Amino acid sequence: AQTVTQSQPEMSVQEAETVTLSCTYDTSESDYYLFWYKQPPSRQMILVIRQEAYKQQNATENRFSVNFQKAAKSFSLKISDSQLGDAAMYFCAYRPRDDKIIFGKGTRLHILP
Amino acid sequence: DTEVTQTPKHLVMGMTNKKSLKCEQHMGHRAMYWYKQKAKKPPELMFVYSYEKLSINESVPSRFSPECPNSSLLNLHLHALQPEDSALYLCASSQDGFGVVTARRYQETQYFGPGTRLLVL
Repeated sequence: AQTVTQSQPEMSVQEAETVTLSCTYDTSESDYYLFWYKQPPSRQMILVIRQEAYKQQNATENRFSVNFQKAAKSFSLKISDSQLGDAAMYFCAYRPRDDKIIFGKGTRLHILP
Repeated sequence: DTEVTQTPKHLVMGMTNKKSLKCEQHMGHRAMYWYKQKAKKPPELMFVYSYEKLSINESVPSRFSPECPNSSLLNLHLHALQPEDSALYLCASSQDGFGVVTARRYQETQYFGPGTRLLVL
């Protein structure tokens, strides 16, 4: 079965510091997509970053970057220069090429001023 | 523009009421989704529409009835709900049809709306 595991239910980071959220997944597929979504208390799910499995280069979006290790089935999210607005629930998600998206259970990130 | 809109933002209904949730996107996306999300949990897929046809029904009770009147609109009709149906209902869309294998790598990214917070009394 395809699963997504986020082992850190909650994390805290000091404002302006760097934090890494971990995600591992289990699949036998070779062609798939990985996503990090952010859901602040306002509740809208916002796409943070996406990675295509066939691309070796790690995706980056401004202060957000991923460490994609395909062989290890690991997809961690690094947030640099953390800001108060980064406080949210972060969901890691996996989607095979023609199937449903599978979400991890989420990591609640707190930013300490 | 990656906007998906949902109305209403909040809804309170009794168990005998009939109400509808509405979702709209104008990005030309051909797949649209309904998710249910309980507090502190990830979204759970309910329905997928692809090219205005129902592709997936995740064994959702018949008191939830989806409808896709056109490629931009997705409705969720609610009738005789139970208190345990109280949740955040999220709509999402993605560019290409769900499960459609084309010559080009199709767009997997789902864009979500702000959700409707539903309370069933």
